[in-house]
Amino acid sequence: DSGVTQTPKHLITATGQRVTLRCSPRSGDLSVYWYQQSLDQGLQFLIQYYNGEERAKGNILERFSAQQFPDLHSELNLSSLELGDSALYFCASSVSGLAGVIETQYFGPGTRLLVL
Amino acid sequence: DQQVKQNSPSLSVQEGRISILNCDYTNSMFDYFLWYKKYPAEGPTFLISISSIKDKNEDGRFTVFLNKSAKHLSLHIVPSQPGDSAVYFCAASAWGNTGKLIFGQGTTLQVKP
Repeated sequence: DSGVTQTPKHLITATGQRVTLRCSPRSGDLSVYWYQQSLDQGLQFLIQYYNGEERAKGNILERFSAQQFPDLHSELNLSSLELGDSALYFCASSVSGLAGVIETQYFGPGTRLLVL
Repeated sequence: DQQVKQNSPSLSVQEGRISILNCDYTNSMFDYFLWYKKYPAEGPTFLISISSIKDKNEDGRFTVFLNKSAKHLSLHIVPSQPGDSAVYFCAASAWGNTGKLIFGQGTTLQVKP
């Protein structure tokens, strides 16, 4: 158990809908990262938040957004869903995630999203 | 543009033998490398890491080797056990960047009893 929790574990929805994925980082970790793993793909970095502020962005679609709340949990919002958004979405956390700091990211169990 | 590549999608090894998983990268700014292991229906689990100032790091049965000139790293598992059967991901990050990790596509390791 990494200490990172994600809910829900599974999500089935229809095209055009909007969903929210939730992540709670390890106790004490200030940075949260979101990654997407599509079928037969490696993990693709989406976005990072540090202590409530956006820190880095990857190839995140404009239909996707995220935020980190004062209690440090994070939510990833996916809207106008398309079939191609079906994937595993992982959240990870680290102590700081600041530039120049080498540290390990710990991953949650993921949310499997299926768009029909 | 795939900056981190794992060219072998799968590897099969006999129990007790050595497993060698390879990873190549293209970005010379990468200075921290990690290996994650992933079982089905679970999140990636951190295994071992190495910074660019080292060329070897060892943790029990797991050793990671880094060859900066060749932009290549490898994970050695000795001896391999059936419980090691999983997907192994190589990941890299850059010092001057945030904690963003760039992942390879993964290698599925099967250790046969």
